[in-house]
Amino acid sequence: SYVVTQPPSVSVAPGKTASIPCVGDNIEFYRVHWYQQRPGQAPVLVISFGYDRPPGIPARISGSKSANTATLTISRVEAGDEADYYCQVWDPTSDQWVFGGGTKVTVL
Amino acid sequence: VRLVESGGGLVKPGGSLRLSCAASGFTYNYYTMNWVRQAPGKGLQWLSSITGNSNYIYYADSVKGRISISRDNAEKSLHLQMDGLGAGDTAVYYCTRSLLGTTEAAFDIWGQGAMVTVSS
Repeated sequence: SYVVTQPPSVSVAPGKTASIPCVGDNIEFYRVHWYQQRPGQAPVLVISFGYDRPPGIPARISGSKSANTATLTISRVEAGDEADYYCQVWDPTSDQWVFGGGTKVTVL
Repeated sequence: VRLVESGGGLVKPGGSLRLSCAASGFTYNYYTMNWVRQAPGKGLQWLSSITGNSNYIYYADSVKGRISISRDNAEKSLHLQMDGLGAGDTAVYYCTRSLLGTTEAAFDIWGQGAMVTVSS
């Protein structure tokens, strides 16, 4: 089945930009969604279909895709952005959802 | 818009459990619903999805044969029956809604989660 890979952790200074990659074969052709999960809370959708922000999600959070990498970008990072971030892909070949292993973003 | 899970708790190895999710605040039968779990300190794992009319049901290969998803649109409820539970099933189980009601849409609403602990 399809596999997507995320780095376990990313560290970023306040005010800087964090980029979280989600790597998968030809991921540019897949539906990719992103979730933020703060400690002790349920995940929250932050990007759907690779680029779309749900209502209430700040414009500082954006998504993009290239051939084999989908990327979640958080600009002007704040302390409140410290959380785990997961990418999610629907694999139409196996009719299954796949989550990346998650990336812990630490604000220095 | 709200999802509330129930039915979690302590289960002995080899036992069974039925989780439920009560939905409110939206036209329930329009939406595909899903179950996702998260073991302590681990990442998210999708388990199963069911379309609005129950015509299409999907299961993760890792749990296929041990779980069964169902829904009652009149009651606005979602259920997950789990059998043959083992320590690896210890997790928080989330009920989620698919945005737009299509299978490949993102999970835009999540419940607070129900903890299931499998232990003797």
